[in-house]
Amino acid sequence: EVQLVESGGGLVQPGGSLRLSCAASGFTFSSYAMHWVRQAPGKGLEYVSAISSNGGSTYYANSVKGRFTISRDNSKNTLYLQMGSLRAEDTAVYYCARVGRYSKVLDYWGQGTLVTVSS
Amino acid sequence: QSALTQPASVSGSPGQSITISCTGTSSDVGGYNYVSWYQQHPGKAPKLMIYDVSKRPSGVSNRFSGSKSGNTASLTISGLQAEDEADYYCCSYAGSSAVVFGGGTKLTVL
Repeated sequence: EVQLVESGGGLVQPGGSLRLSCAASGFTFSSYAMHWVRQAPGKGLEYVSAISSNGGSTYYANSVKGRFTISRDNSKNTLYLQMGSLRAEDTAVYYCARVGRYSKVLDYWGQGTLVTVSS
Repeated sequence: QSALTQPASVSGSPGQSITISCTGTSSDVGGYNYVSWYQQHPGKAPKLMIYDVSKRPSGVSNRFSGSKSGNTASLTISGLQAEDEADYYCCSYAGSSAVVFGGGTKLTVL
């Protein structure tokens, strides 16, 4: 069974940093690209960042470029999102999601972890 | 990376059919056959309902179907049931490993 479990969320002050983790199990993690997607309270889904299966290619939404860094450790089956220079508008539930092997679909999602940026 | 356009809300009675539209551009919806639809109940993670425009994952009811014409994709739910009440999001590949989502549609089953 495919499982994605996010952790690392919490309350952080504006300008602060936080690192999210996503532990994967039930599939060959190193064979799949991964995404981070966020959802602000009461709002819709927003693409944040993507990483290729071997970690060699990374992509970011304009809203987080230069502030967030996506990475992965295939030996630990774990995806990361290092978030810096956090702003109030980064407050959201952050989901990790797997990209389908033969499609661009985000086929499995974690349960999400809440990040709150507030003083 | 502009969001895809969905109606904010739709409604229907049990047993009826509804359709949710999702309009993008030739750089996303119109340019790729990688449109997907997600169902999200309050406090839950999104659940994949349709992918690659019209394919259904294993376990998803055949009451859910998808289509695309030009820059607009559509999700149709037939035989509405109370448990279908949820938020629905469309999503399209937009090149360079990016995806773009619609703003979401709240489905109310009357």
